[in-house]
Amino acid sequence: DQQVKQNSPSLSVQEGRISILNCDYTNSMFDYFLWYKKYPAEGPTFLISISSIKDKNEDGRFTVFLNKSAKHLSLHIVPSQPGDSAVYFCAASVYQAGTALIFGKGTTLSVSS
Amino acid sequence: SAVISQKPSRDICQRGTSLTIQCQVDSQVTMMFWYRQQPGQSLTLIATANQGSEATYESGFVIDKFPISRPNLTFSTLTVSNMSPEDSSIYLCSVPQGAANEKLFFGSGTQLSVL
Repeated sequence: DQQVKQNSPSLSVQEGRISILNCDYTNSMFDYFLWYKKYPAEGPTFLISISSIKDKNEDGRFTVFLNKSAKHLSLHIVPSQPGDSAVYFCAASVYQAGTALIFGKGTTLSVSS
Repeated sequence: SAVISQKPSRDICQRGTSLTIQCQVDSQVTMMFWYRQQPGQSLTLIATANQGSEATYESGFVIDKFPISRPNLTFSTLTVSNMSPEDSSIYLCSVPQGAANEKLFFGSGTQLSVL
């Protein structure tokens, strides 16, 4: 049973618009959430994270929102750029040193110019 | 952040053979994690490799199929044994990073195709 779910396999957005990627989780013990971006033939790279004590974290064009009651988080990219086209993975963990992350299946974002 | 060198970057193998994937990190790390990404699937943890002890395998993964070595704090290998087409995946090594080791840093991965 998947503990981290990304129900949208793909998303297409025009350059300059907002991209919203969604993620749901089932394990109430998760208290740390991350987003990774992956280009073909490369390993995933860390993008942004949020702990369960917050409901929002912002870093430049990227903002992650966390709704603990709904067990839902989302990644907003504003404005979207063609270089943002990649696979985005949502991940979760119980916050402690060296804990492995549990990943969703990913959402492929395509940003057209 | 750490620099991870993973080899080979890709390989095409015949069924029944084995492939050993190497992961070299430029700094000493206590834990290294091996993940697999099957086509269209999430990154799934295979095992945690600790230096000086046997690797800890996740449910569904066994040592006979995926033996792991961890001879020192900067190096690990994952072997995919007796391969079948179902083993065709991207294999990734990763190490913890961040102030509390709360994030993972990944190597570039090994794209394995089994014919």
